[in-house]
Amino acid sequence: NAGVTQTPKFRVLKTGQSMTLLCAQDMNHEYMYWYRQDPGMGLRLIHYSVGEGTTAKGEVPDGYNVSRLKKQNFLLGLESAAPSQTSVYFCASSYSKGREERREQYFGPGTRLTVT
Amino acid sequence: KQEVTQIPAALSVPEGENLVLNCSFTDSAIYNLQWFRQDPGKGLTSLLLIQSSQREQTSGRLNASLDKSSGRSTLYIAASQPGDSATYLCAVRNGDAGGTSYGKLTFGQGTILTVHP
Repeated sequence: NAGVTQTPKFRVLKTGQSMTLLCAQDMNHEYMYWYRQDPGMGLRLIHYSVGEGTTAKGEVPDGYNVSRLKKQNFLLGLESAAPSQTSVYFCASSYSKGREERREQYFGPGTRLTVT
Repeated sequence: KQEVTQIPAALSVPEGENLVLNCSFTDSAIYNLQWFRQDPGKGLTSLLLIQSSQREQTSGRLNASLDKSSGRSTLYIAASQPGDSATYLCAVRNGDAGGTSYGKLTFGQGTILTVHP
């Protein structure tokens, strides 16, 4: 049971380039999330998904797109990278069943992205 | 809008001390609160989850309390060790305005803990 995994671990992009970050979970979770972590800003939610084929905007969605074609995978895309998107990106997943109070969120190891 | 604040921002203690990390939140209508640990350059490891109906949770040397009405949580670490050095984050899970929660977490900015031998 690998939990939540993310690829790649590190990436350097030039301004205007595109890339896709992949998140995979093997816990059969319905809910998946993408966060970014920046110094002084904490973790902020970019997009999330409540099930296969559905996505929704979070707190800071501009410049990103997402897709959830399979339940176990959640992809984050940058169509035209900008230096402001330099950050550490974390994926997370959570149960959807049972009491709300008990739903714990599990995080991946992160992807460190630098845009020059 | 939910806001989460953690105090202190940084803490340095000698090995063996008991210590308390504080977390406060502005909207008390939460489902739960999670405490995480983050080592430098690493991901987040969940330490404790406290449900809104609970007052505290314990795991080994860690004890977390929750006072939902006053918007406060504390993480107590007993007999601290150098291996406890990390950033500690608290996060709360709120419902959406329509009453449905998709589990979005609001994070504090963390407390950087250093335990020196």
